[in-house]
This record gives sequence, C-alpha cells and structure tokens, in this order.
Amino acid sequence: GAVVSQHPSRVICKSGTSVKIECRSLDFQATTMFWYRQFPKQSLMLMATSNEGSKATYEQGVEKDKFLINHASLTLSTLTVTSAHPEDSSFYICSAEGAVLTDTQYFGPGTRLTVL
Amino acid sequence: TQLLEQSPQFLSIQEGENLTVYCNSSSVFSSLQWYRQEPGEGPVLLVTVVTGGEVKKLKRLTFQFGDARKDSSLHITAAQPGDTGLYLCGIQGAQKLVFGQGTRLTINP
Repeated sequence: GAVVSQHPSRVICKSGTSVKIECRSLDFQATTMFWYRQFPKQSLMLMATSNEGSKATYEQGVEKDKFLINHASLTLSTLTVTSAHPEDSSFYICSAEGAVLTDTQYFGPGTRLTVL
Repeated sequence: TQLLEQSPQFLSIQEGENLTVYCNSSSVFSSLQWYRQEPGEGPVLLVTVVTGGEVKKLKRLTFQFGDARKDSSLHITAAQPGDTGLYLCGIQGAQKLVFGQGTRLTINP
C-alpha cells in the first residue's frame, strides 16, 4: 500500500514551453502533497506544499507564477512549469501525506525534466 | 545554516567493509527518519527513530538515535554494491519534512 506515482517519468521540452507533471496517490487519499526539486548530487529541496482544495504554500524563493500547483482532488496534484528555461531542468519529486498517517510522506519516483 | 548536517557527504568503499554515516543537529527532535534514494528514483523510507538512545536494525543496517535526540547514525555492516545510493536523514518540521544534505554512498565490487 501507500503507492505514489508520477507522470511523466521523463520529459524533454523546448525553452519557452510549459510542462505539466502529475502526482497521484494510488491507494490512499492524500490531503497534503509536497513538491521537491533535486539538482544533481544534492538533497531534495521543498518547493511547495499543496492541500486539497486550497492554494499551495510556496517556500521562500520559489516563484508561484512559474511553478503552478493544483491539488483538485484527494489523489491528484499537478505541477506546471510555465515558460520553462534550461535552468529549470531538474529532477522533480512529489510526496503525499495520508489523511490518517499524517507523519509519513510517501514519495513518487520522480520526473526528470530537461529543457533545451 | 543547515538544520541537519550529514557527514560524510561522499563515501566510496569496497564491498565487505563497514561504514557509519552521521546526521547531526543542535536542535532536539521528537523523531528522525532515514531514507535511501537510488539514482532516478524517489526516496524510500528506511526507518523512523523516536526514543532517545533507540537502536533499530534492518538486516545489515543499524540505526541509532542519540540520547539527547539531536543526532543519529546509520551503520552498515559488510556493505554490498546494492547499498549504493543517497542516504538522507529527515525530520518533520512545521508541517513539512526537512532533509539533510545527504551522504552519497558508493560500494565498489
């Protein structure tokens, strides 16, 4: 149980285009989902926290207009990287916190974004 | 300033050797978690330690939470190439999980 999926696993896009990444909790309801960014050889950096049905809370230094987060249901959150640029290339990972086990986050497998 | 300091940041050893990685802080935590992340994948939770002085074993991995609940260690016995990965410690902060910088471990056959 407690499986989180991400789609796509890899995406390559041209500079200036927008890319949407989906994060789904497959067998549990997630009231809260988190989006992380990870650069090569570095740890995970929290970008934002999204609660179902409300606006996401962004960490300091993360542009909310560039990284649009939508958490429309208890099993799906999406991250849209708008007008992507090469510096946005990174590994994006989501996690989901269950409605019951609120102290545990279950991580997705990540999405590798490459912006040309 | 990093809330959680992990050391070493990089470690490369031969198969069969033992190793210990550390996670330190000046703050006291109610619990601490250890994760392993393999290349191209998300982190996977290994263990949560809660009680000061607690020791948990997971096959060849031994996790210890410091008596003062400010630090933790992960000891691997007879390391194998499958242990290669990024080891992260994390603590549950104000409604979010905070990670250390990670220890990138490579076990050479």
